[in-house]
Amino acid sequence: EDQVTQSPEALRLQEGESSSLNCSYTVSGLRGLFWYRQDPGKGPEFLFTLYSAGEEKEKERLKATLTKKESFLHITAPKPEDSATYLCAVQARGRRALTFGSGTRLQVQP
Amino acid sequence: EAGVTQFPSHSVIEKGQTVTLRCDPISGHDNLYWYRRVMGKEIKFLLHFVKESKQDESGMPNNRFLAERTGGTYSTLKVQPAELEDSGVYFCASSSTSGVPGELFFGEGSRLTVL
Repeated sequence: EDQVTQSPEALRLQEGESSSLNCSYTVSGLRGLFWYRQDPGKGPEFLFTLYSAGEEKEKERLKATLTKKESFLHITAPKPEDSATYLCAVQARGRRALTFGSGTRLQVQP
Repeated sequence: EAGVTQFPSHSVIEKGQTVTLRCDPISGHDNLYWYRRVMGKEIKFLLHFVKESKQDESGMPNNRFLAERTGGTYSTLKVQPAELEDSGVYFCASSSTSGVPGELFFGEGSRLTVL
């Protein structure tokens, strides 16, 4: 069974304090690993797709990386508007369904 | 362009009653998904439509749940009869067949409370 574990559960940063979120996964043949952002009362919003180990994607202050067992979401010099829950999900080959982790709740204080 | 819309945003019902949730995907998106998050748990897959056909319903918890997608447009998810453990947030998502893999567009969710 595919499994995704995210850590930490919650993270509080000061504005400008860089950090990383972790996503460990097991999947029967990885088709893709995805990062989503979710704001309170909203649905998840797509951020990145990573397909293979060594791949990196960047968007503004966010950079996602992938190894054979885990992915990291690096947040550089975060701002209060980066506060949200960040979700990691995997997709197995031959399937469309995503398996989500429970998320990391990030709070960035001014 | 309108996003994925879901109705109702919140529904409170008694155990044993029936509830129908509706999802209108982004126009032109052939793929439609239902997911749900029950209290304290991660978001879990329920099922996937391609146009009007069910491609994968492996996540449907039991036969009290019935999903339909009329004419490949909007979709409904009916829970009958509802049980306490069905409480949670039900998300609908859609995607284009030609889009980025894994890029799902989610609605804001329908919160279901079963008393």
